[in-house]
Amino acid sequence: QVHLVQSGAEVKKPGASVKVSCKASGYSFTGSYIHWVRQAPGQGLEWIGWMNPNSDGIKYAQKFQGRVTLTRDTSINTAYMELTSLTSDDTAMYFCAREDRSMVRGILTLLLDGWGQGTLVAVSS
Amino acid sequence: DIQMTQSPSSLSASVGDRVTITCRASQNIRGHLNWYQQKPGKAPNLLIFGASSLQSGVPSRLTGSGSGTDFTLTISSLQPEDSATYYCQQSYDTPLTFGGGTKVEI
Repeated sequence: QVHLVQSGAEVKKPGASVKVSCKASGYSFTGSYIHWVRQAPGQGLEWIGWMNPNSDGIKYAQKFQGRVTLTRDTSINTAYMELTSLTSDDTAMYFCAREDRSMVRGILTLLLDGWGQGTLVAVSS
Repeated sequence: DIQMTQSPSSLSASVGDRVTITCRASQNIRGHLNWYQQKPGKAPNLLIFGASSLQSGVPSRLTGSGSGTDFTLTISSLQPEDSATYYCQQSYDTPLTFGGGTKVEI
């Protein structure tokens, strides 16, 4: 059973950086991509990027290019998301999620079947 | 980027009602469409993947359909525990994008 546990809430000042961790268990950590998604208060879901724990493969949403870095430590089955130059617009709940793929009607489709509990990042002066 | 448009943004229905949520993609995404349920203060939970496949453990009163640009999520008989916000998400291309959500109230 996929289980992702994230680090605790953070309060940061504008211009600072934050690093959120996501510890995986219940499956082979290097066998599945990890995605990061955020949700501003009262808003919808916004995709940040994905990381392949088994290689250097990474893809970021263009909006976050240059400000976000996804890394991992396979020795402790943990993924990290670091976001720099924080502004109040970055105040949000940040989620990690495991990617799985399944064949549906002849199409190999991507799905996010396990999510961390979320990490609240609040940016305030 | 592929835009996902959900409607309605909210709805109120009674226990036992049939409820339908629609999701439209800005371009053909074939069957690469997933549905998630999110309750307040919780992470999203996968309900349906590949437009119509039910995730393990999800009640059969939920069904998904559609292909191309138009998709629907139907709850055949609304239950109190279905009170939540529902999001569609395309996995055809990155960036992955989500619909704006549909809040379902009982």
